[in-house]
Amino acid sequence: GAVVSQHPSRVICKSGTSVKIECRSLDFQATTMFWYRQFPKQSLMLMATSNEGSKATYEQGVEKDKFLINHASLTLSTLTVTSAHPEDSSFYICSARDNDFPGAKNIQYFGAGTRLSVL
Amino acid sequence: AQKITQTQPGMFVQEKEAVTLDCTYDTSDPSYGLFWYKQPSSGEMIFLIYQGSYDQQNATEGRYSLNFQKARKSANLVISASQLGDSAMYFCAMRESPYGGATNKLIFGTGTLLAVQP
Repeated sequence: GAVVSQHPSRVICKSGTSVKIECRSLDFQATTMFWYRQFPKQSLMLMATSNEGSKATYEQGVEKDKFLINHASLTLSTLTVTSAHPEDSSFYICSARDNDFPGAKNIQYFGAGTRLSVL
Repeated sequence: AQKITQTQPGMFVQEKEAVTLDCTYDTSDPSYGLFWYKQPSSGEMIFLIYQGSYDQQNATEGRYSLNFQKARKSANLVISASQLGDSAMYFCAMRESPYGGATNKLIFGTGTLLAVQP
């Protein structure tokens, strides 16, 4: 099956600092990756769609300048939480779509997630 | 607008028994895909099974099967021979157009927490 790696799995930072989260598709190329946020005991909320070589598409209500997304290659997308504050503390999880090889069903495969705690 | 509904916040099942997790959906698009994901306490989202709206047969993957009833707009997940490791949160999700499309966004339900008892 397709493997998506997300790093780091957990990060604790001071308020005002920036945090970068990486999402890599290890055994397939992904022109499209997705970034989600999940609050405790809730479902996943799509933040943005990351497109290789172009600007990300953000969902309504998500601050583009707060959550910077870069999809520089077919296997890597990064999410940078800029000037993080305690309210940004959450579980962030990425996914990659397997649409780039024969027989693909356009399934989203997820990373293991990153738990961000801003003190 | 698309919508996914999971009416069971939590369920118990005895080890080795089968369990059905309910999922209903609403969409006006004739072309869509349905997914089930498992999320253990560690947080990762594990893909379990996929059903396309035009697929004639119900999807099966090992102990997982999807009971797809198109007219009723339901896509229930059936887990046979439950194991302790099946204890997790289960999410049903839908995507318009089973073979991708302009957005390929997934809409998730609220999830069902399954607890398998020994």
